[in-house]
Order: sequence, then C-alpha cells, then structure tokens
Amino acid sequence: RKEVEQDPGPFNVPEGATVAFNCTYSNSASQSFFWYRQDCRKEPKLLMSVYSSGNEDGRFTAQLNRASQYISLLIRDSKLSDSATYLCVVTLQTGANNLFFGTGTRLTVIP
Amino acid sequence: DTAVSQTPKYLVTQMGNDKSIKCEQNLGHDTMYWYKQDSKKFLKIMFSYNNKELIINETVPNRFSPKSPDKAHLNLHINSLELGDSAVYFCASSQTDRGETQYFGPGTRLLVL
Repeated sequence: RKEVEQDPGPFNVPEGATVAFNCTYSNSASQSFFWYRQDCRKEPKLLMSVYSSGNEDGRFTAQLNRASQYISLLIRDSKLSDSATYLCVVTLQTGANNLFFGTGTRLTVIP
Repeated sequence: DTAVSQTPKYLVTQMGNDKSIKCEQNLGHDTMYWYKQDSKKFLKIMFSYNNKELIINETVPNRFSPKSPDKAHLNLHINSLELGDSAVYFCASSQTDRGETQYFGPGTRLLVL
C-alpha cells in the first residue's frame, strides 16, 4: 500500500472556479505534511506546508485532518497559471527529510 | 544563478551501458538527495547524503551508486543499465537533514533502449 494516495484527476475547471484536492496517508505516525507543485516536464517545487490548525497563503488553503488521515488543498479564483500537478507529501517524523510523495493530482484551468 | 543543476538534461543509451548523472547545488546546503520519477509520475527517494555521508538508502539495486565528493555535489553512477531504469531522475537539496524545504534540480530524462 502506498504511503500517500491521491486522485490523479485530471481536474478541468474554468478560470475563477474554486477547486479542492484531497489526499490520504496510510501511516498514522506521519508528522509533517506539504503540498508541492510540478509543472509539465519541470521539477517539483514547494507550494506550502500544512499545519495542524490549517493555513492559508493567498488563494491557497491547506487543511489537515489527523483523525481521518487526510490533507486537503483548496484553490480559490483559479488562474490559468495554476495549471499543474499538485503533489501531496508527508514525512514520518517531524523534521525528517525522507519525503513520501503521492502520484499527484493534475489540474487544468480553462479560459 | 541556478540553485540546483544537473547534467545531462537528457540521456539516451543502450541496455548494459554504464552512465553517470551529475548534480551540483550552490545554496550552501548540507543535504542532497536523488529521486526517481517513473512513467506513472510516482516520485520516490533513492538516496540522501548529509555532509557527504549517506543517511538514506532506500531499496535500490546496487547497480546504482551515489558519490559525494563534497557537500555541494552528489553524483549518481548507474552500472549495467536496464530498460526499467528509464525514468526522470531528480536531484534535490535542503539546508539540513531536519525536514526543511527541498529544492529540486531540473531533472535528467534517462531513456534506456
């Protein structure tokens, strides 16, 4: 069983829409959580960390539900430039550097 | 001013050959990594080095041998290449081995024929 599972999509949404992605993790001992973004044929880049109380960065909101072992990412007012694959990432220990990646959810924002 | 660079960007080679991929970071980071992203886009860690010492070695065939001549470089040598080695290999670095943001290189696309 994979450490991190995501719906691969694709999600095709019009500009301005709100879209949400979920991801589930299998190990209840997981401690740190992140969303990375990967553009087509490019490297992954950190989008945001996910904190227990939930956190927001502009149009992006990340939430963590430890009881259900899932993480979500909400994107409001989608832009064409948001089109990318969004990777859910967990580590098993706080401060550990061994990242476990989901396979990613592909988003296309349509004009 | 590339932070993490890899060479070559593309590598096409025959089965059975030996090849190397080089990685350099100019961020002054202590920790470097190699990841493999397969055809299904699944990104999995292979190795991690901290200050030139191996700290993570996932289940990877021993045909893959990382080498870190100094903390700014982590090279990956692959012996006896197989078809299943075809993938994108990403190098990454982080300030330390304590879970900070990892910065990825642009990737090396390896195709084994």
